[in-house]
Amino acid sequence: GAVVSQHPSWVICKSGTSVKIECRSLDFQATTMFWYRQFPKQSLMLMATSNEGSKATYEQGVEKDKFLINHASLTLSTLTVTSAHPEDSSFYICSARDRGIQGPYNSPLHFGNGTRLTVT
Amino acid sequence: AQSVTQLGSHVSVSEGALVLLRCNYSSSVPPYLFWYVQYPNQGLQLLLKYTTGATLVKGINGFEAEFKKSETSFHLTKPSAHMSDAAEYFCAVTYNQGGKLIFGQGTELSVKP
Repeated sequence: GAVVSQHPSWVICKSGTSVKIECRSLDFQATTMFWYRQFPKQSLMLMATSNEGSKATYEQGVEKDKFLINHASLTLSTLTVTSAHPEDSSFYICSARDRGIQGPYNSPLHFGNGTRLTVT
Repeated sequence: AQSVTQLGSHVSVSEGALVLLRCNYSSSVPPYLFWYVQYPNQGLQLLLKYTTGATLVKGINGFEAEFKKSETSFHLTKPSAHMSDAAEYFCAVTYNQGGKLIFGQGTELSVKP
C-alpha cells in the first residue's frame, strides 16, 4: 500500500531555533500534500496545502512566514518551523494524495506517522 | 460552511460488545465521507470511505459505516469490540475543494476486558 514517511518522528529544539520536518511519499507521486497540526486530545487542524512546483496555500490564521512549506518534487514536501517558541510545540502530521488515482476528491489521503515537536 | 460533528468525545465498551461511533455532517452538496483511526503518537489510517454507490460501506478490521443522507449521518459500527480497537477515531468529509479534508473532533474508544 501507499506509504508516507515523515521524518523526524520526534524532535526537541530550543526556543528561537528552526526545525525542518520532511514528508515523503515512498511509492507514489503526490502533487498535493497537506500539513496538519494536532494538539493533545484534539482533532487535526489543516495548516496548509502544499503543491508541487508552486506556493503553498495557507489556511486562515496560519502564519506563512512562521511555517515555511516547500514542495520541490513529486515525492517530497518540507515544513520548517522558524524561530520556534514553546507554543509551537505540537504534533505535526502530513498527508499526501496519489496523483495516479482517478478522482482526486474521493481517493483517500495517506498519512505520515507524525512528528512530535517540543520547543524548550 | 461544511462541518463534521462527532457525538461523544469518549466512548467505552466492553470487549465483545457493539461499537457505535456517531458522525453527522452538514453539507449542501454530496459529500465524500471517511473514517480514520489513530493510535497514540501515530498518523491516521483509513478505515473506510463512502463516495458513491452502496450506502453501507465495509472497511478494515471488521468496521462498517452507513451513509444516511436523510439523517446526514455516517456512523461507524463494529459488531464485536476487540481490545486492539482502542484508539482515537476521526470522521472526515471532503467536498469539491481540492480535496481538503474536514475532520470531526474525534472520539476516543476504550475497550474494557
